[in-house]
Amino acid sequence: GESVGLHLPTLSVQEGDNSIINCAYSNSASDYFIWYKQESGKGPQFIIDIRSNMDKRQGQRVTVLLNKTVKHLSLQIAATQPGDSAVYFCAENLRYNYGQNFVFGPGTRLSVLP
Amino acid sequence: DADVTQTPRNRITKTGKRIMLECSQTKGHDRMYWYRQDPGLGLRLIYYSFDVKDINKGEISDGYSVSRQAQAKFSLSLESAIPNQTALYFCATSDPSLETGELFFGEGSRLTVL
Repeated sequence: GESVGLHLPTLSVQEGDNSIINCAYSNSASDYFIWYKQESGKGPQFIIDIRSNMDKRQGQRVTVLLNKTVKHLSLQIAATQPGDSAVYFCAENLRYNYGQNFVFGPGTRLSVLP
Repeated sequence: DADVTQTPRNRITKTGKRIMLECSQTKGHDRMYWYRQDPGLGLRLIYYSFDVKDINKGEISDGYSVSRQAQAKFSLSLESAIPNQTALYFCATSDPSLETGELFFGEGSRLTVL
């Protein structure tokens, strides 16, 4: 049967507003982080990554911020669009490029309101 | 066509049945993975393989087995399915020579065990 009491946090934003999705990671030794987007019925897709020697990285309409002091990662999406509706989750890795060491967060569901 | 293809996409089976989920990739990557996704939980690693002769257990390998038939093919088997193996299963690949450490996911195989 299904697990009890495990629900994804949901963030609802108006189309055109900025979105901020947060992630608390678990291991202070993690040195590489990725944000993935998972649309309904699809596999996760890479959005942006950041290494522990950086505290900010920008992509197209997205920015990732890393605060190692409090083990916190955030994903900012500018001018949110309907196509941004999806589940977003972060992944941390102890060693860059070692795929088997990724630890994934549970995800946040982003709903874009018209 | 998808770079990482999973079959079947949906399967309903009964307790005790043997099930195989198949994954094939055209990305030419040596590294392949099987993950499980449950509602409200992050992706959890079942097995991974860094080349045809290399098979390794992940976090939750009990009740599962894998076979790496070729560089492009990695299959996951449930020898005797049980209801708590009901989940969404993802195959993924990676390439350590890439600048990013991202995983490339298939579109998932939804398995329901009654």
